[in-house]
This record gives sequence, C-alpha cells and structure tokens, in this order.
Amino acid sequence: ETGVTQTPRHLVMGMTNKKSLKCEQHLGHNAMYWYKQSAKKPLELMFVYNFKEQTENNSVPSRFSPECPNSSHLFLHLHTLQPEDSALYLCASSQDNGRGDEQFFGPGTRLTVL
Amino acid sequence: AQKITQTQPGMFVQEKEAVTLDCTYDTSDQSYGLFWYKQPSSGEMIFLIYQGSYDEQNATEGRYSLNFQKARKSANLVISASQLGDSAMYFCAMRRQYNNNDMRFGAGTRLTVKP
Repeated sequence: ETGVTQTPRHLVMGMTNKKSLKCEQHLGHNAMYWYKQSAKKPLELMFVYNFKEQTENNSVPSRFSPECPNSSHLFLHLHTLQPEDSALYLCASSQDNGRGDEQFFGPGTRLTVL
Repeated sequence: AQKITQTQPGMFVQEKEAVTLDCTYDTSDQSYGLFWYKQPSSGEMIFLIYQGSYDEQNATEGRYSLNFQKARKSANLVISASQLGDSAMYFCAMRRQYNNNDMRFGAGTRLTVKP
C-alpha cells in the first residue's frame, strides 16, 4: 500500500448505529487530518493531529470522535449521526518540511446517514 | 479570518488549449502558503502546486503554473495544453505558514475539457 488509504470507501448507516472510519498513511508523516466535504460547501477541516496529539477541533459535534493511536493511523468514530452528516469524509497527512507541507489525501469515505 | 474565493463554478476548455482558474484570498497574515488541488470524480484530492507568500517567482509544476499576484491577493492556476484527463474539480486553498491547523479551501471550480 502506498500513500493514504481509507476504509470503507462507502458506508450507509442508520441514526442509531455506531461505526468507525479508518485512515492509514504510508508516507512517514507526522500530522493527520479529518475533513468533511458536503455538497455545495467548501471542504471543512474537522480534526488535526500533530505527533498523535489532537491540536485542533473545529467545533465538531461530539457525535464525531477521533482517535489517533499512532502516527500512521487515524480513526473517526461515529455514533447517533444525523442525515445532514451525510458527506464525503477525507483523511489527509502531511510532514512539515520547512517549506510548505502539502497535505496528501486519501480517496475518502462516502457516508450516507438514513 | 482567512477566506478563499473561487468565482467560477464551472469552466470549459478545448483540448490542447490553456485555461486559467481564478482564486482570490483574504488574509491579514504576512506569511502564508497557497495550494491548488485537483479532485477527480473518484473523490481523491490530488496536490498540484504550492506557492509561498514570500516566493519571488511564480510556482510551476509541469503543465501547471500559478499566477501569483500578491498585491491583488490572487493565485490563479494556469493549466497549459489541456488534456481530457484534466476534467475534474479544482480547489484553491490557503493556510498560515507552518500552521497545519488552519487550512481553508475555496468552493472549487469544475473544469470540463472538450475533445
């Protein structure tokens, strides 16, 4: 595996379900991110982890719970979601190279909440 | 607060021609980075090009170049010799320099390359 991988690629869940999204980066980066991409809205940064420590939580509802057990893995735990949470969830990673640490994205998980 | 504006929801270009995708930004910071990403229908965001606010020359990466006009706060992407595979959504993004926590994206431009 290379780059950033995400599983599952598609997920349909009811509002009472609990599920988790998984992200894995194979690039040796030290920062990982969760983004939400809804229709007709700009990409929204949800969570940032630097060196496994959460450094940013952009007012995300508590029904989204991130977990970063090590620098290569990132999870997004979902519970009691709402239909408006249906979106493409993108994971990204980056490494500060002192110049401009572009973020490398995974293919995303398309989430549908019924 | 930082803000990114992409005023072109959709653009069409003939294959082999050049196209410019507009991006303007608003920030009070002196040090920042500007990025362009491509998102094909598969969903993955692909990094294309980066411009630092203190870079004296416009960035270029193969067929991609960034027309950076700092005084006008614009960072337009120029794609030369368009190919059918260039059809995708294109996003402009900005963040404070060396600050991972504040990446902002524009609404995107859908580019369609016609044969």
